Amino acid sequence: EPEVTQTPSHQVTQMGQEVILRCVPISNHLYFYWYRQILGQKVEFLVSFYNNEISEKSEIFDDQFSVERPDGSNFTLKIRSTKLEDSAMYFCASSAVGHSTDTQYFGPGTRLTVL
Amino acid sequence: QKEVEQNSGPLSVPEGAIASLNCTYSDRVSQSFFWYRQYSGKSPELIMSIYSNGDKEDGRFTAQLNKASQYVSLLIRDSQPSDSATYLCAVNTAMNTGFQKLVFGTGTRLLVSP
Repeated sequence: EPEVTQTPSHQVTQMGQEVILRCVPISNHLYFYWYRQILGQKVEFLVSFYNNEISEKSEIFDDQFSVERPDGSNFTLKIRSTKLEDSAMYFCASSAVGHSTDTQYFGPGTRLTVL
Repeated sequence: QKEVEQNSGPLSVPEGAIASLNCTYSDRVSQSFFWYRQYSGKSPELIMSIYSNGDKEDGRFTAQLNKASQYVSLLIRDSQPSDSATYLCAVNTAMNTGFQKLVFGTGTRLLVSP
C-alpha cells in the first residue's frame, strides 16, 4: 500500500541553525501539507501546497519557514533559523485531489529537537 | 478562530465494551469530518470519515454526525486493548480556494483494559 515517507525520523539541531525536513508524498497525489505537533499538544496545520505554490499557510508559518518541491517526488520544509519553540513532531501529509472530502494521509513524522 | 473541542480523557472502558468519543466544532460551514487514531509517538492514522448527517459504519467503528448541533462522535464496539490510543477529531474547514485545511482537536485518550 502506498505511503508517505519522511526523513530523517529524528533531527537534533542547535538554535539558530537551518534544518530541512524531507517528505515523499504518495506518488499520484497532488496536494501536500505540513503539520506540526508540539509534545502533548494538538496537531496544527502549517501549510498546504499545490501546483508548486503555497495555497494556504497558518500564522505559525512565518518568514522562517519555506516549502519546496525540488523534484518530482520530494516535498521539503525548511526552517531557516530554528528556535527552541520549533521543537515538535513535523508531519507531512498528502491527498489525491484536495477536495473537501478527500483524505489526507500522514507520514510517520520527523521529531525535531532544538537545543 | 475555528475550534474543535474534545474531552482529553482518559476514557477507560473494559475489553468488549462500547467506547463513545465525542467532538464539537465551531465552524458551522465545515463540510467534512475525520477521526484519526494516534498511538504515542506515532502519526495520525485515518479511522473514519463522514460528510453527511447520520451514521456511517465501518466494521467495529461507527461515526455519527449532527451538523445542526455541530457534533460528531465515534463509537467503537467490542473494544480491544489494541484500541488504546488517542483519538483525534479533525474538521476540514471551509476555504474559498477549495483546498483542505484540517483543524484538529486535542484528542481523547482511550484506555481499554483486558
